[in-house]
Amino acid sequence: QLLQSGGGLVQPGGSLRLSCVGSGFTFNNYAMAWVRQAPGEGLGWVSSITVSADNTWYSDSVKGRFAISRDNSKSTLYLQMSSLRAEDTAVYYCARPVNPGGTDMVFDYWGQGALVTVSS
Amino acid sequence: ETVLTQSPATLSLSPGEGATLSCRASQSVRNYLAWYQQKPGQAPRLLIYDASNRATGIPPRFSGSGFGTDFTLTISSLEPEDFAVYYCQQRYNWPPLTFGGGTRVEIK
Repeated sequence: QLLQSGGGLVQPGGSLRLSCVGSGFTFNNYAMAWVRQAPGEGLGWVSSITVSADNTWYSDSVKGRFAISRDNSKSTLYLQMSSLRAEDTAVYYCARPVNPGGTDMVFDYWGQGALVTVSS
Repeated sequence: ETVLTQSPATLSLSPGEGATLSCRASQSVRNYLAWYQQKPGQAPRLLIYDASNRATGIPPRFSGSGFGTDFTLTISSLEPEDFAVYYCQQRYNWPPLTFGGGTRVEIK
């Protein structure tokens, strides 16, 4: 129900855009989020966005470098990543909250994950 | 930032045994605490939300309890498919959303 694309290998300082297409539910009724997991590590929240994209939030580690956005007409969530660093290397997951409409950030649907590797 | 500390880091148990996992928050998160299960190569799976509510399709052997800063995930009798890593996550004091470091439940 959440199909991701866009991962890959990028050099330090480079850019990459991740996409996440939602299906089987009314995408424009749900806030959305990105969560990442560095190799062998735990989960870390990256960013969240409201239904209408009027509010966005970022972890301190990506603020100013990453941009979350959405196109409700395409049921698609994006994460534009710039000025990438080695420490951004991770599997990135898009995630949908349990409840529509609000910003109760507990996630019952997850994408399959996209590996982003930042290396020269 | 609300730090979540999970213990133990690893739990070695046999199928059929019960498991008790702990998550402690650095400040109160009321009951806004969730538990996830993750298996290698897979996305996390929501087990429990709001401290004690089982997510859709989660078997009753999984239960959660707690309020404020101390929370517990209990697996009453481990099935072979329950050996995995478990994470807690709070959504009360955000941003940032925070996750615990995880507890690995391994076969003894």
